[in-house]
Amino acid sequence: GAGVSQSPRYKVAKRGQDVALRCDPISGHVSLFWYQQALGQGPEFLTYFQNEAQLDKSGLPSDRFFAERPEGSVSTLKIQRTQQEDSAVYLCASSLAGQGLSAQYFGPGTRLLVL
Amino acid sequence: DAKTTQPNSMESNEEEPVHLPCNHSTISGTDYIHWYRQLPSQGPEYVIHGLTSNVNNRMASLAIAEDRKSSTLILHRATLRDAAVYYCIEVTGNQFYFGTGTSLTVIP
Repeated sequence: GAGVSQSPRYKVAKRGQDVALRCDPISGHVSLFWYQQALGQGPEFLTYFQNEAQLDKSGLPSDRFFAERPEGSVSTLKIQRTQQEDSAVYLCASSLAGQGLSAQYFGPGTRLLVL
Repeated sequence: DAKTTQPNSMESNEEEPVHLPCNHSTISGTDYIHWYRQLPSQGPEYVIHGLTSNVNNRMASLAIAEDRKSSTLILHRATLRDAAVYYCIEVTGNQFYFGTGTSLTVIP
């Protein structure tokens, strides 16, 4: 079956530009997560949705980062006024349930390079 | 601060069992333990998870210490396709703490 998809796979932005990263989770998955992965590091939690509700956004590094999931399926991570330190791979994952009860299924990620 | 501690790297010969250790000394009674692996340029792949009892699936086994402060991922017969970075994760609420993982090299 279809897994988690993310688009674009690669994004080059000039410093100061706004970017939008899209995630299509597995159909029927209630929980959706966004992570940021710097080179050579493990993924770091950004935010969590249960259906359309954003229940945890404690990992978002600044108010330039914004995520939404308006209809409880597709999610968008938006970064305003990008900075060079935003360069990373942004991973999206979905799962049937939260609280670690079920496996997370990850997309391939969007590699963002800010020049 | 990382919630889990893993060796940075390990090696295994092909077709031999591999035991990947993880310490999670701050784990609470309701925190699940998950293991994922990641190949270069790919998203992490789910391997196994558990709470208290040992768990088995088609990919691996997870042995959880009685005090739950450590666990071991067991690959019963390593293949070249098992070469990856393995992450032991303590799940607190809905937050997955990945750490830096163990890079597993499989020697033919």
